[in-house]
Amino acid sequence: AQSVTQLGSHVSVSEGALVLLRCNYSSSVPPYLFWYVQYPNQGLQLLLKYTTGATLVKGINGFEAEFKKSETSFHLTKPSAHMSDAAEYFCAVSEPTSGTYKYIFGTGTRLKVLA
Amino acid sequence: DAGVIQSPRHEVTEMGQEVTLRCKPISGHDYLFWYRQTMMRGLELLIYFNNNVPIDDSGMPEDRFSAKMPNASFSTLKIQPSEPRDSAVYFCASSDRHYGYTFGSGTRLTVV
Repeated sequence: AQSVTQLGSHVSVSEGALVLLRCNYSSSVPPYLFWYVQYPNQGLQLLLKYTTGATLVKGINGFEAEFKKSETSFHLTKPSAHMSDAAEYFCAVSEPTSGTYKYIFGTGTRLKVLA
Repeated sequence: DAGVIQSPRHEVTEMGQEVTLRCKPISGHDYLFWYRQTMMRGLELLIYFNNNVPIDDSGMPEDRFSAKMPNASFSTLKIQPSEPRDSAVYFCASSDRHYGYTFGSGTRLTVV
């Protein structure tokens, strides 16, 4: 069964610093991987996704993530943090080739950006 | 498109009462998902539908919970009777398989 582990429930960075949010997954088949962002009192919004092809995926708001099969990782990065990036971030995995289409979400990482 | 629409946004009810949460998915999306979010358990998948048919309801916590999708544009999640431990934010999401889920804004349920 697929699973997702997000290391660090809280991450703090200074404005302008690199953002690195970690995600490791477990999957028995080639996975689809996703990052979502949740702002307070809102639903989750898709940041980026990996399905097939290029392993470096670019998303909205300057975020990107790299699929590394050998490390079973899909870490989210942004070169320079902005105050507006403060939110909760969720990594998710699905196994479309197994016949199911449900996503399994990680427990989330709350990003704090310090002025 | 207006996105996934959930109602109500907030619901406060007394223990033992019936609660019905509603969701209108994006037109053309053939998958619909119900999630529950709490501080303790994070995001939990309760049930999902494909073409209005329930595919996996293994996440529904108890028989007090039920979900229906009578047509492609409407789904309900019902809790009867409600209990304080059901207090959470309930999200509906829809998808067409290709572009990832689109989530609604959620219903914050408080059972007192």
